[in-house]
Amino acid sequence: DIQMTQSPSSLSASVGDRVTITCRASQGISNYLAWFQQKPGKAPKSLIFAASSLQSGVPSKFSGSGSGTDFTLIISSLQPEDFATYYCQQYNSYPGTFGQGTKLEI
Amino acid sequence: EVQLVESGGGLVQPGGSLRLSCSASGFTFSNYAMHWVRQAPGKGLEYVSAISSNGGSTYYADSVKGRFTISRDNSKNTLYLQMSSLRAEDTAVYYCVKSLSGNYYYVPVDYWGQGTLVTVSS
Repeated sequence: DIQMTQSPSSLSASVGDRVTITCRASQGISNYLAWFQQKPGKAPKSLIFAASSLQSGVPSKFSGSGSGTDFTLIISSLQPEDFATYYCQQYNSYPGTFGQGTKLEI
Repeated sequence: EVQLVESGGGLVQPGGSLRLSCSASGFTFSNYAMHWVRQAPGKGLEYVSAISSNGGSTYYADSVKGRFTISRDNSKNTLYLQMSSLRAEDTAVYYCVKSLSGNYYYVPVDYWGQGTLVTVSS
C-alpha cells in the first residue's frame, strides 16, 4: 500500500494567516491526490482533487499543488470556520490511503 | 442535491454481524463507483471498500478482507456493507462516499454521507 505522510500533525495559526500543509507519498502517484476538511463531529468535506482542482463550491482561498510524491495545501486568509482537521488521500491505487491528518488550531 | 444517508449502525458483540445501508439520491446512482471509509473514535480516516458502478468490481482493505462484503442495488439506489466476524477494532463511524465520476480507477470522491456508528463490544 502507498503510505501518505502529512506534516505538520498540528498547526497553530491566527485569523488572517496563510498556512501550508504538506503531504508526501511513499511512491509516485502522479497528481491523483485529494484534500479533505473535517470539523469535529462532522463528515469530511471534499476540497481538492487532482492535486490542484477545486471541488464545486469550494472557495478559492484553498489551493493545492504538487505532483509525483510531494504535495501542498495552502489556505489563505484564515477565517474561524477554517479551523479543522485536514487530510490528504491518494487515489492512484487501491486502497485510497489517507494521511494521518493535520489539525489546524487557533 | 446529492444526498447519502447511512443506516444500520449500532452496538454488536464481538463475532457478530451487521449490515450497513446507504441510500443515495440526487444523482444517477448506477453511473458511479461507491466507497466505504471508516473512522475510529478520535482517529484518522481509513479506506475500507469500493465497488464499481455495475457491481462487477470490488476492493477490500486487508483489515476487512474475508469478513466484509460490499454490494449495491442500483434499482433501489442503495449501497450496502455486510460486516461479519466483527472485532473491537472495527468500532468506527462508517461513511458512504460517492466517486466524482463513473470510472472505477483514478477517480476521486466528492460527496460523503453523515456516517453511521458501529460499536463492537460485549
